[in-house]
Amino acid sequence: DVKVTQSSRYLVKRTGEKVFLECVQDMDHENMFWYRQDPGLGLRLIYFSYDVKMKEKGDIPEGYSVSREKKERFSLILESASTNQTSMYLCASRTKGQGNQPQHFGDGTRLSIL
Amino acid sequence: DAKTTQPPSMDCAEGRAANLPCNHSTISGNEYVYWYRQIHSQGPQYIIHGLKNNETNEMASLIITEDRKSSTLILPHATLRDTAVYYCIVRVASGTGTASKLTFGTGTRLQVTL
Repeated sequence: DVKVTQSSRYLVKRTGEKVFLECVQDMDHENMFWYRQDPGLGLRLIYFSYDVKMKEKGDIPEGYSVSREKKERFSLILESASTNQTSMYLCASRTKGQGNQPQHFGDGTRLSIL
Repeated sequence: DAKTTQPPSMDCAEGRAANLPCNHSTISGNEYVYWYRQIHSQGPQYIIHGLKNNETNEMASLIITEDRKSSTLILPHATLRDTAVYYCIVRVASGTGTASKLTFGTGTRLQVTL
């Protein structure tokens, strides 16, 4: 079974802090994603990585950056946390093999910025 | 990606089959049907996907009509742990980069009861 592990289920940080969210997958997947999920807004893509050190901005990259130094690990960084970044953050991974392969998600990190 | 329509909610008695419908009348020939579910406060879980043939795995069966305009996800013996929001997604398999992002609609809230 695919395992996508996010470092924290719940996290509380203060405005202005630099926040790191970590995601690790154990299936040697090339593609990894960071989404945020908010009530009424559904899933929104923040960043996508198609391989080590490769990344693309998603729909809402402002205020975020990412790092992919190793294939199994994809980190999301909130450079200076703000209250409007309070959200559920979801990491997903997928093999790039055939294009129809599904994405597999972690359990999510519920982040609160005070 | 083709638009999908799902009923907002359904109930099912534990031990009975849960049949969750999805309409996707504008589906095109190269679009797959994917099903995910999300249990409260957890990340989305991939269930199954298919193109035109019926599919079955250890979790569920996917029945796609011959004209591909609708599909049904079947949980053969629903349990209380199957209570979740179920999302039907139709998308092109060949999307690359950020085009491979997922977007969820409002889904069907399945309540399994004793």
